[in-house]
Amino acid sequence: EAGVAQSPRYKIIEKRQSVAFWCNPISGHATLYWYQQILGQGPKLLIQFQNNGVVDDSQLPKDRFSAERLKGVDSTLKIQPAKLEDSAVYLCASSLGTGVVEQFFGPGTRLTVL
Amino acid sequence: KNQVEQSPQSLIILEGKNCTLQCNYTVSPFSNLRWYKQDTGRGPVSLTIMTFSENTKSNGRYTATLDADTKQSSLHITASQLSDSASYICVVTPSGEYGNKLVFGAGTILRVKS
Repeated sequence: EAGVAQSPRYKIIEKRQSVAFWCNPISGHATLYWYQQILGQGPKLLIQFQNNGVVDDSQLPKDRFSAERLKGVDSTLKIQPAKLEDSAVYLCASSLGTGVVEQFFGPGTRLTVL
Repeated sequence: KNQVEQSPQSLIILEGKNCTLQCNYTVSPFSNLRWYKQDTGRGPVSLTIMTFSENTKSNGRYTATLDADTKQSSLHITASQLSDSASYICVVTPSGEYGNKLVFGAGTILRVKS
């Protein structure tokens, strides 16, 4: 079974530039999550999708971050414009549903903002 | 406030030795507690999942325990190997929250030396 795919793996940009990350979840997984993991900390949920609908985006900085999952499969996360404090690893995860189910994580995209 | 605290922050042990990592949480009520292993540059991978009614779960050389009364969990690694070097993250899912909203600890960084 293929895992969660993410691209790119690494990205270096200057502050005020824009960047986009892509995620393809495990086939058949209805729930998709984007997390931000700052060095030395645990992941923080940015947004959760159930199929193509947003379930929770309470911690997404909506003035600069946006995400979509138009066809209920793959998803993109965008930052525009980026700030220095956005430097982090962005993890995508997917699960079959909600409740006591396992989330499967992708390898992450490491973003460095200079 | 729902929090998960892990100790120690980091740990160095010799190959072949055992070690125990600790997790204290304030999340209440909760539906399950998970331990993840995160290799450098990779996404977290689930080791164990325990519901609130379980008090131990094993996965090979990894054994997790849960004391819901004291709100403590531990992860015991037996006969450590170099490949066990990673960050170990304790994660708690509050019950009553819609959509599997996880509360992550900051992780314990384990380094196994030869």
